[in-house]
Amino acid sequence: QLLVQEPGPGLVKPSETLSLSCTVSGDSLSNNDFHWVWIRQPPGKGLEWIGSISYDGSTHYNPSLRSRVSISVDTSKKYFSLKLSSVTAADSAIFYCARHFSLTAFDFWGQGTLVTVSS
Amino acid sequence: DIQVTQSPSSLSASVGDRVTISCRTSQAISHALSWYQQKPGQAPTLLIYVASSLQSGVPSRFSGSGSGTDFALTISSLQPEDVATYYCLQDYATPLAFGGGTKVEI
Repeated sequence: QLLVQEPGPGLVKPSETLSLSCTVSGDSLSNNDFHWVWIRQPPGKGLEWIGSISYDGSTHYNPSLRSRVSISVDTSKKYFSLKLSSVTAADSAIFYCARHFSLTAFDFWGQGTLVTVSS
Repeated sequence: DIQVTQSPSSLSASVGDRVTISCRTSQAISHALSWYQQKPGQAPTLLIYVASSLQSGVPSRFSGSGSGTDFALTISSLQPEDVATYYCLQDYATPLAFGGGTKVEI
């Protein structure tokens, strides 16, 4: 499996920071043909693009989350990470990581991690 | 920002029926649209990329068409295993955006 999401915190308290990581097998994390993305899906709802990062660390974020989100990449350790700060119940969702190739879009996905924001 | 409008939000059809799902974008995006299938409890999987190219391993009853602002996903003969929610995605420009999804039932 190309993308494996590490077990997340499961439960995060309101106002805290949510942290997730996604491990990439092989050498594709260092390939500048790919971007690495985070997507979320609130329970029973649709998909939302959170943001993307390339191998050199350049990022793009959803404007609706830009003030609270940070995506980073560690090519030596073969993973990329998501941090979402000041979370509220509205941030409860299944979070997916994925690979974005300009030709084939989101061609590989992680298995997803459910994070619930609650006190 | 490019808005993506997907329709219908749900549909019910019979086995063997031809099913079409539409996505419309608020700006022209050339062929930068892809389609995903999500079954309950699973991550989405890629069906179609650059509007009409079939991802390896996807049954040939799935096809995509369109360019510019209007796109469609067609299932030529609906099968029981096609029960799922389908999403389109524009990756022409950031912020990337998904359509709202279409739930397909039999």
